[in-house]
Amino acid sequence: SQQGEEDPQALSIQEGENATMNCSYKTSINNLQWYRQNSGRGLVHLILIRSNEREKHSGRLRVTLDTSKKSSSLLITASRAADTASYFCATGYYGGSQGNLIFGKGTKLSVKP
Amino acid sequence: NAGVTQTPKFQVLKTGQSMTLQCAQDMNHEYMSWYRQDPGMGLRLIHYSVGAGITDQGEVPNGYNVSRSTTEDFPLRLLSAAPSQTSVYFCASSTSILEGQLTRGYTFGSGTRLTVV
Repeated sequence: SQQGEEDPQALSIQEGENATMNCSYKTSINNLQWYRQNSGRGLVHLILIRSNEREKHSGRLRVTLDTSKKSSSLLITASRAADTASYFCATGYYGGSQGNLIFGKGTKLSVKP
Repeated sequence: NAGVTQTPKFQVLKTGQSMTLQCAQDMNHEYMSWYRQDPGMGLRLIHYSVGAGITDQGEVPNGYNVSRSTTEDFPLRLLSAAPSQTSVYFCASSTSILEGQLTRGYTFGSGTRLTVV
């Protein structure tokens, strides 16, 4: 099945540094979303970007979408220890049932104080 | 608002037993779905519903049944539990589906950790 693939699988940085995670997908999409999951918890929605948008910001988060390359990136600026979590991209694919999302396997981010 | 509530939080079943995982939301969301999360596999869609009385299969529906008699509730039934169904199960809901597109993200429950022995 179509799936977003995050890269890298794991990322370790120091507090204050920026963290960049990438997501690639296979077929045309309606929208792409990013979620955060703290260990043992449910997923929390971070940001949604539609297929006709190229960039979106929310606080310290910046998401870009390149539909020609079928890829997206999530940038977290000035990272904090509290940003330590797994980050997932999820795609709503064109022609799919309303609201269906296909999730990638995630990037595990570790921010060291 | 409580958001999406899943019960139980933990469950151990014996092979062959059946059970129902409960999911309820109080946000009047029309769209609800069930995912399972396994190590290294990400989240995989089991079943989903676009409104009361309407359900459909996702990527991994075998061994699971759902029904949606009300907007609020979307229970997931395991018919005859197998060790391969050991997983963490998440229920999620959303609204604002406009012209086939989500305009808001999903709200997830906190999950049910199921072990089948």
